[in-house]
Amino acid sequence: DAKTTQPPSMDCAEGRAANLPCNHSTISGNEYVYWYRQIHSQGPQYIIHGLKNNETNEMASLIITEDRKSSTLILPHATLRDTAVYYCIVRVAGGGADGLTFGKGTHLIIQP
Amino acid sequence: GAVVSQHPSWVICKSGTSVKIECRSLDFQATTMFWYRQFPKQSLMLMATSNEGSKATYEQGVEKDKFLINHASLTLSTLTVTSAHPEDSSFYICSARDFQKNSPLHFGNGTRLTVT
Repeated sequence: DAKTTQPPSMDCAEGRAANLPCNHSTISGNEYVYWYRQIHSQGPQYIIHGLKNNETNEMASLIITEDRKSSTLILPHATLRDTAVYYCIVRVAGGGADGLTFGKGTHLIIQP
Repeated sequence: GAVVSQHPSWVICKSGTSVKIECRSLDFQATTMFWYRQFPKQSLMLMATSNEGSKATYEQGVEKDKFLINHASLTLSTLTVTSAHPEDSSFYICSARDFQKNSPLHFGNGTRLTVT
């Protein structure tokens, strides 16, 4: 799997957009970018994934650069409940037949 | 869709006893499930892959005789921590995906195991 690099922590004011970056410079052509988050003492929650086009769902938007070497997860109007560790994972479609490999992620803290 | 349920959410047991954790796929069939372990302030570590109708495959360093995995049906996998010790205290999380729908992996809410 391609390696990803994320900042260890970020702060964001409540109500503002939270932009979480991820670098994946060794991504392969058939690998997707997946985002999960883990709220304290819960299992990870799937957020969004994409291949090369930007994606949006009810939770977030995913912006992938044209060269696919980096991406940004956008939470448009962050709330206190969005405080969590966010994981960017690069993997073949669906996650493949193997379990996902989690890095250290970004601890996003939403400030009131 | 793609809901994964885990039970119990927490358990306390004494050293030397065994504990069973269940993982169910509620609205899809899961031929493969994954078990993770997470220690405080650390990331999730894959322990093993549970395969319906066959033996589980374990990651390097995970003792298969200590962490027994049974995947007897397409919707249920169990992890049994045998002869538990305090160092086995951790957060255990399972995951599964609906391969037919090519869905992403979804995770259970985890089981907090405390061995006293």
